[in-house]
Amino acid sequence: QKEVEQNSGPLSVPEGAIASLNCTYSDRGSQSFFWYRQYSGKSPELIMSIYSNGDKEDGRFTAQLNKASQYVSLLIRDSQPSDSATYLCAVILTNFGNEKLTFGTGTRLTIIP
Amino acid sequence: EPEVTQTPSHQVTQMGQEVILRCVPISNHLYFYWYRQILGQKVEFLVSFYNNEISEKSEIFDDQFSVERPDGSNFTLKIRSTKLEDSAMYFCASSEGPSWAEENTGELFFGEGSRLTVL
Repeated sequence: QKEVEQNSGPLSVPEGAIASLNCTYSDRGSQSFFWYRQYSGKSPELIMSIYSNGDKEDGRFTAQLNKASQYVSLLIRDSQPSDSATYLCAVILTNFGNEKLTFGTGTRLTIIP
Repeated sequence: EPEVTQTPSHQVTQMGQEVILRCVPISNHLYFYWYRQILGQKVEFLVSFYNNEISEKSEIFDDQFSVERPDGSNFTLKIRSTKLEDSAMYFCASSEGPSWAEENTGELFFGEGSRLTVL
């Protein structure tokens, strides 16, 4: 079973609409969850972190976490062409007391003007 | 705003040669990491480093790899005898606290990456 799983896309969303990105993870003990944005040829950039069940909002971004379902999502409201990028879900996975930030394969998002 | 810096931005080397990639983490950060991303693939964990020793390494991080913090500011990744499959973007990251720490302090900040091309 893949540790962090995302739909690779591409996901195309019209400008101004809501983009919804989803992620599932395998480690039921995980407590820390992150969304990174990666433009082509660039490094991952942290845009959201979430640690508790429920929603966390930051500007146009909302992260949602459901630990019981092992599911984390990112909503982008009022999508802009500059939001076109690959979005990486990352989870702290535990392994016999050691923790590491593990990335999913990423979802490529394209905002259509 | 503090940032993680990496050098070189791009290195081309011949198979079998040694390569050293350098990183300057954010100054008050104590935890350091190397990740790599082969073109078109996912970002993969290589190694984490704290208190002058490796805290965890992945299966990728075999004997040809080593890390070092030679002074108070630099954090290096050495690849002893490069192979074609080592061609990738290598990202250094740092965090204030461990990745499992309380909210925010464990967040990783990435450098711009060093692209390694092995011919």
